[in-house]
Amino acid sequence: QVQLQESGPGLVKASETLSLICSVSGGSMRNIYWTWIRQFPGKGLEWIAYLFNGETTYNPSLKSRVTMSVDTSKNQFSLKLTSVTAADTAVYYCARIKYTVGLDPMGQGTLVIVSS
Amino acid sequence: QSALTQPRSVSGSPGQSVTISCTGTSSDVGAYNYVSWYQQHPGKVPKILIYDLNKRQSGVPDRFSGSKSGNTAFLTISGLQAEDEADYYCFSYAGSNIYVVIGGGTKLTVL
Repeated sequence: QVQLQESGPGLVKASETLSLICSVSGGSMRNIYWTWIRQFPGKGLEWIAYLFNGETTYNPSLKSRVTMSVDTSKNQFSLKLTSVTAADTAVYYCARIKYTVGLDPMGQGTLVIVSS
Repeated sequence: QSALTQPRSVSGSPGQSVTISCTGTSSDVGAYNYVSWYQQHPGKVPKILIYDLNKRQSGVPDRFSGSKSGNTAFLTISGLQAEDEADYYCFSYAGSNIYVVIGGGTKLTVL
């Protein structure tokens, strides 16, 4: 069964770039939609981006700062978020889009704190 | 402010039924039957319960059901159990540009 695991720095300085990787095991990455979402400390959730066979779609509110990419040779996909602020502090989850808005499985999540 | 509106909290006694609402607009919930519901226990990863409005994810008890009326989707939990105490979130498809809008979450307390 497919499993996902996020990795990356847990602390990023304000104005710098947040970079995360999602490692996929147990299945192929091809012809699957993959996505990043985040959960803020107040528990609200926000969709960030999704990717399908190399083509990406971004949340319009984050589009200018986000890049999502895939490396199928490593069975990984990644997220870069530039010019971060404290408002980007969140738990970041990667996930497979199994149904139209149905995410399963999700990774365990990784907390990223933006420090000033 | 979340795009979908959920009550902040609901409660019920063991064995009772509760319904959580998720109100959107004619551009998301009202336009598509692509609503998912997630359950999140404290410190845990959100877990999908319902997809495509009313389909239960494999392994989810049939106590959980989804429905919709107009621009509002509903998650009904019947035969409440202590383990149902958790946060619940709704997701709705909102078209190819926006993709998904998400509710602010509802805390279910089992009394």
